[in-house]
Amino acid sequence: DIVMTQSPNSLAVSLGERATINCKSSQSIFYSSNNKNYLAWYQQKPGQPPRPLIYWASIRESGVPDRFSGSGSGTAFTLTISSVQAEDVAVYYCQQYYGTPHFGQGTRLDIK
Amino acid sequence: EVQLVQSGAEMKKPGESLRISCTGSGYTFANHWIAWVRQMPGKGLEWMGFVYPHDSDTRYSPSFEGRVTISGDKSINTAYLQWSSLRASDSAMYYCARGFCSGDICYWNFDLWGQGTLVTVSS
Repeated sequence: DIVMTQSPNSLAVSLGERATINCKSSQSIFYSSNNKNYLAWYQQKPGQPPRPLIYWASIRESGVPDRFSGSGSGTAFTLTISSVQAEDVAVYYCQQYYGTPHFGQGTRLDIK
Repeated sequence: EVQLVQSGAEMKKPGESLRISCTGSGYTFANHWIAWVRQMPGKGLEWMGFVYPHDSDTRYSPSFEGRVTISGDKSINTAYLQWSSLRASDSAMYYCARGFCSGDICYWNFDLWGQGTLVTVSS
């Protein structure tokens, strides 16, 4: 199984500041035949189901604000929120889909 | 509207059986994987398994195989998660989620989620 590990477990950022969440896979999730990284990011607010944010490591889902961006390749990935807003308070999860799915443990984002 | 609608909250006793459902609408249900994801109180997301309704191909996480049964009925656009004998430790929120497809190729990231079904198991 390909295991995902996120860091940090939680972070607090001032409004308008940048937030960075890291995600590492236990083996490469880059598939050379289609040049894609099999990595997705989700946002979950209290009492709500997860919301898809990003797939193929860097492609935003429809309707996701452009302050959210994904980057990385191979085994190391990053979700960046360029200017944190109050509505971004949530838990963020990465997930690999190169093999059977596995989610990271989640990163809680709060406002400082 | 494209959506997944799950059955309502359940309160059961240990040892009882249970089946919860997830019904899709607004898209071709048979052509997308449907996953079940567990979220225990205050914890993260755990993939349990999924079903491909077109041919009922089913895969399980080793952590859940033998404990639950996942199935799908493409004639009524519905997937199921069932237990034959519940335990208190099965108390959790359960989400169904649709696998993403690009053209004829489908993948195991999830682009549509149900609202969740809360299962409480207590004597």
